[in-house]
Amino acid sequence: EVQLVESGGGLVQPGRSLRLSCAASGFTFDDYAMHWVRQAPGKGLEWVSGISWNSGSIGYADSVKGRFTISRDNARNSLYLQINSLRVEDTALYYCAKGAGEAPYYYGMDVWGQGTTVTVSS
Amino acid sequence: DIQMTQSPSSLSASVGDRVTITCRATQSLSGYLNWYQQNPGKAPKLLIYAASSLQSGVPSRFSGSGSGTDFTLTISSLQPEDFATYYCQQSYSFPPTFGGGTKVEIK
Repeated sequence: EVQLVESGGGLVQPGRSLRLSCAASGFTFDDYAMHWVRQAPGKGLEWVSGISWNSGSIGYADSVKGRFTISRDNARNSLYLQINSLRVEDTALYYCAKGAGEAPYYYGMDVWGQGTTVTVSS
Repeated sequence: DIQMTQSPSSLSASVGDRVTITCRATQSLSGYLNWYQQNPGKAPKLLIYAASSLQSGVPSRFSGSGSGTDFTLTISSLQPEDFATYYCQQSYSFPPTFGGGTKVEIK
């Protein structure tokens, strides 16, 4: 069964850091791009970051550029998101999503995890 | 960045109705347009990719069409499980961007 399981969310104070993880199983992880997409409470979907199969192509939303870092470990079938300088507006459910191809563009996102919640509050 | 505008933002319909949702991009997408369904409390699910290709396992009552900047998702006969929020997303260029969503509610 193809599966993505996120972890690492929690309640953190503004300015602190957090590292999200996504464990993949049931498919050849290093054949596909991966993404992080977030959804603030009651709001729509916002793409956060994406990474190609070999980490050669990486992109970020303007809202997180310079604060978030995406990475992957193909040997561990894992995706990560390092989040620094957290802001209240980063509060959201963070989804890990599998790209349908090797590049983080051109393709849709065909498998999604259930998400991990990040709450930023003092 | 390419901006995506969906309309309507919400609609009310009955079981069996034909429903159409539109999505407009600020520049041509060369067909790189995807549609997702999100049921309450659930993760999004890919329905349509490349504007008109049905994702495996998705019922045939869902269809997509369009080209250039204008795209449409059609549900030919609305079923109870289709009451959800639908999002379009362009994958033509970085950053991939989503539309604001269309909530389909029961009339």
